[in-house]
Amino acid sequence: ETGVTQTPRHLVMGMTNKKSLKCEQHLGHNAMYWYKQSAKKPLELMFVYSLEERVENNSVPSRFSPECPNSSHLFLHLHTLQPEDSALYLCASSQDRGRTIYFGEGSWLTVV
Amino acid sequence: KNEVEQSPQNLTAQEGEFITINCSYSVGISALHWLQQHPGGGIVSLFMLSSGKKKHGRLIATINIQEKHSSLHITASHPRDSAVYICAVPYNTDKLIFGTGTRLQVFP
Repeated sequence: ETGVTQTPRHLVMGMTNKKSLKCEQHLGHNAMYWYKQSAKKPLELMFVYSLEERVENNSVPSRFSPECPNSSHLFLHLHTLQPEDSALYLCASSQDRGRTIYFGEGSWLTVV
Repeated sequence: KNEVEQSPQNLTAQEGEFITINCSYSVGISALHWLQQHPGGGIVSLFMLSSGKKKHGRLIATINIQEKHSSLHITASHPRDSAVYICAVPYNTDKLIFGTGTRLQVFP
């Protein structure tokens, strides 16, 4: 248990669906991140939120839409995804940017 | 060429063996992270180090800033150590550049 909880753990969605991934951290951190891990590729940073403001959008397509309603919650809204978007999506948090990051268990996404 | 390279990519060991995983990087860094990813996907941060050596239980991490090289050692390896070990270096305040990982399997 790392203090970062992601739901759902597994998601299968069609290309026309709209779904959301949820992340909640119980560590009192003020920075939250979304990472993508595709098969046989290194982890890639997607988004960074610091104090609930987006500070980095790492050239991510608009079919991925993040939302950070408060410092404890982070969402990734998904719509009209492509099969190549199938991957493990990891949420993480840290106390201040650049410090040790704590990852969730990840959400396995399959787009069919 | 990746900016963060790990070796070996795959490693198998018998229980009790001493394990070494290497990480070389080409960017200037302030600290280097070692992470452990279990088959279910979750990632645990093992170490963040900027110089010298850190030890936690059977895990030891060392870094040589001049040579841009870090090693992760596991003493008295155990099947529960089976995981993917990833090193990562900061590119800027937020962005970590990750290695592709070393898949370790320890057999009883």
